[in-house]
Amino acid sequence: GQQLNQSPQSMFIQEGEDVSMNCTSSSIFNTWLWYKQDPGEGPVLLIALYKAGELTSNGRLTAQFGITRKDSFLNISASIPSDVGIYFCAGRREYGNKLVFGAGTILRVKS
Amino acid sequence: GAGVSQSPRYKVAKRGQDVALRCDPISGHVSLFWYQQALGQGPEFLTYFQNEAQLDKSGLPSDRFFAERPEGSVSTLKIQRTQQEDSAVYLCASSLFIMGTAKNTEAFFGQGTRLTVV
Repeated sequence: GQQLNQSPQSMFIQEGEDVSMNCTSSSIFNTWLWYKQDPGEGPVLLIALYKAGELTSNGRLTAQFGITRKDSFLNISASIPSDVGIYFCAGRREYGNKLVFGAGTILRVKS
Repeated sequence: GAGVSQSPRYKVAKRGQDVALRCDPISGHVSLFWYQQALGQGPEFLTYFQNEAQLDKSGLPSDRFFAERPEGSVSTLKIQRTQQEDSAVYLCASSLFIMGTAKNTEAFFGQGTRLTVV
C-alpha cells in the first residue's frame, strides 16, 4: 500500500486563489517528484527535487524538498480552471529507482 | 510514436480469463516500469526492466502476474486467471536513463490500460 501521506485529499477553490498541498513519509527519500494526472491519462511530471532543502519553480508551481528528506510541498499560485486534476507526490529511495506515490489530491477550481 | 503507447486502452475480462497488456516504450529507452493504479489511489510499483533484464519484480502481487521484455523494447504484462481485485489501470513508463538525476531524465508515463474484471 501507499507509504506517502498526501493531504488534503481534495480541494475546491475559487479561481485566482493559491493552493498548497503536501506529502509526508516516515522514511527518507532522496528524490521527490510532483505529477498531475488528468482523467484517462497517465501522470505528467511537473517538478522534480533532488536535494534536501531544494526549492524549485515551474511557472506558477513551486515545490520544496523538506530538510528532513521526509516531506515535500507543492504550491500553485493564482489558480486557473485548467489546473483542475489530480496531483500526486512521489518519492524515490536512495537505492533503487522505483517510485512510491501518495494517494493524490483532487483539485477543483470554481471560475 | 512520440510517447509511450499502451494497448489495449480498455479491457474487460471475465473472472478466470488470462489477459496480456502491451507497452511500447519510447524508442531507445533503457528503463521500463509497470505500475498498477486502483481507483482513487496513486500508482503502485509492479516491476522494472533495464533493457531485457527484469531487475525488480518485488511489486508483483502474486504469481499470476508475469512481465517480460524479451528484446529490450516492447513489454507485455500478463495476468493469469484474473480476479476482480485485479481491476485497475495498468501504467507503463519508460526512461532513456537508468536513474533520474534531473527532471529531463525521469520516466514518461503512457495513458494506461484500464482492466475491468467481471
